[in-house]
Amino acid sequence: NAGVMQNPRHLVRRRGQEARLRCSPVKGHSHVYWYRQLPEEGLKFMVYLQKENIIDESGMPKERFSAEFPKEGPSILRIQQVVRGDSAAYFCASSPSLGTGGNLYGYTFGSGTRLTVV
Amino acid sequence: DAKTTQPNSMESNEEEPVHLPCNHSTISGTDYIHWYRQLPSQGPEYVIHGLTSNVNNRMASLAIAEDRKSSTLILHRATLRDAAVYYCILSGAQKLVFGQGTRLTINP
Repeated sequence: NAGVMQNPRHLVRRRGQEARLRCSPVKGHSHVYWYRQLPEEGLKFMVYLQKENIIDESGMPKERFSAEFPKEGPSILRIQQVVRGDSAAYFCASSPSLGTGGNLYGYTFGSGTRLTVV
Repeated sequence: DAKTTQPNSMESNEEEPVHLPCNHSTISGTDYIHWYRQLPSQGPEYVIHGLTSNVNNRMASLAIAEDRKSSTLILHRATLRDAAVYYCILSGAQKLVFGQGTRLTINP
């Protein structure tokens, strides 16, 4: 079984350009999560999606950032008009459906996309 | 999300056991205790999780206090490849919230 696939691994964008980060979850997983990690810092939750639905976007910046998980194809994290402060590692994780009682099974993380804004 | 407290860093020697502590005094009855680790330049990796009873798997053991206010991740025989940041996370809701974790250094 393939794990979570993220591409590209490295992405360089000039200020003002758009960045599109892709995440293919583990086959059969219907829950996708995006996290951002700034250099030398911890992982910050951004957004949680199920197929065609955004469940929790409490960690997403209000402007320039959007995420989708269509019925077919990978999940996409889109950053418009990138700025230097967007430079970070972006990790995607997936999980199967939630268990009962709110407990979570283990997440499987991808290797991340390292975005550099120049 | 309930908060966890971990030491910023720990150091151990190769082939010795390592006990990584985590305090979670505000844990609720439905919170599971999860441990993940992140090796340098990689994504986080699931290690183990439990609710009330101690748990063992091929990677580690998880010892949970009787009152569930603390837990300990045990690496039985550390190797250099175990050098990583270890995160203790409580989950009762739909997402995992990472803290700063413990940076574990393994000496040869």
